[in-house]
Amino acid sequence: KAGVTQTPRYLIKTRGQQVTLSCSPISGHRSVSWYQQTPGQGLQFLFEYFSETQRNKGNFPGRFSGRQFSNSRSEMNVSTLELGDSALYLCASRKTGVGEQYFGPGTRLTVT
Amino acid sequence: AQTVTQSQPEMSVQEAETVTLSCTYDTSESDYYLFWYKQPPSRQMILVIRQEAYKQQNATENRFSVNFQKAAKSFSLKISDSQLGDAAMYFCAYRSGGGETSGSRLTFGEGTQLTVNP
Repeated sequence: KAGVTQTPRYLIKTRGQQVTLSCSPISGHRSVSWYQQTPGQGLQFLFEYFSETQRNKGNFPGRFSGRQFSNSRSEMNVSTLELGDSALYLCASRKTGVGEQYFGPGTRLTVT
Repeated sequence: AQTVTQSQPEMSVQEAETVTLSCTYDTSESDYYLFWYKQPPSRQMILVIRQEAYKQQNATENRFSVNFQKAAKSFSLKISDSQLGDAAMYFCAYRSGGGETSGSRLTFGEGTQLTVNP
């Protein structure tokens, strides 16, 4: 069974640009969550999508947005990039109910 | 809001020895789950072990076991017979319960960097 995949794995962007990251969950998993990991702030929850609806949102500005498609694949978008957005962005998928979350390898975003 | 605290930024252990990583949490909920995740240098987050709050029995997974003290809101991880491959950052995490309709949001601690010495 294929794991959670994230593309791209590495990305370099310039301040002010926007970026879109993609996450493909494990087959059959309907919930996709996104996390930002930085040395200063640690692991922080961004948002969760379940059946194409945002179910939960963390404390991030509106520049961070996401969506989920009917096949459960999810994308997150960051507009007007700032230097502080440089981070490892992790995606995790979960079946339903009390199922475990499985993480992808992450996308390393560098903003210059 | 729930908080998770790991007070040991770094720990080290000799190969084949036992080490315990500490974690405390704060919540007013009665239904929740606790997890330990491992993040090696590859950055891939791997689930090590999980504990349901309603279960009094401590979870075990091979060389990994937890000491879950619900009243004290403590959730420590014991690694027995440590191996070089256990070297990684370990995160304690909390998730609210609620069954089918519950969200997947995890609240993480700051992490403990474990070094295994040969």
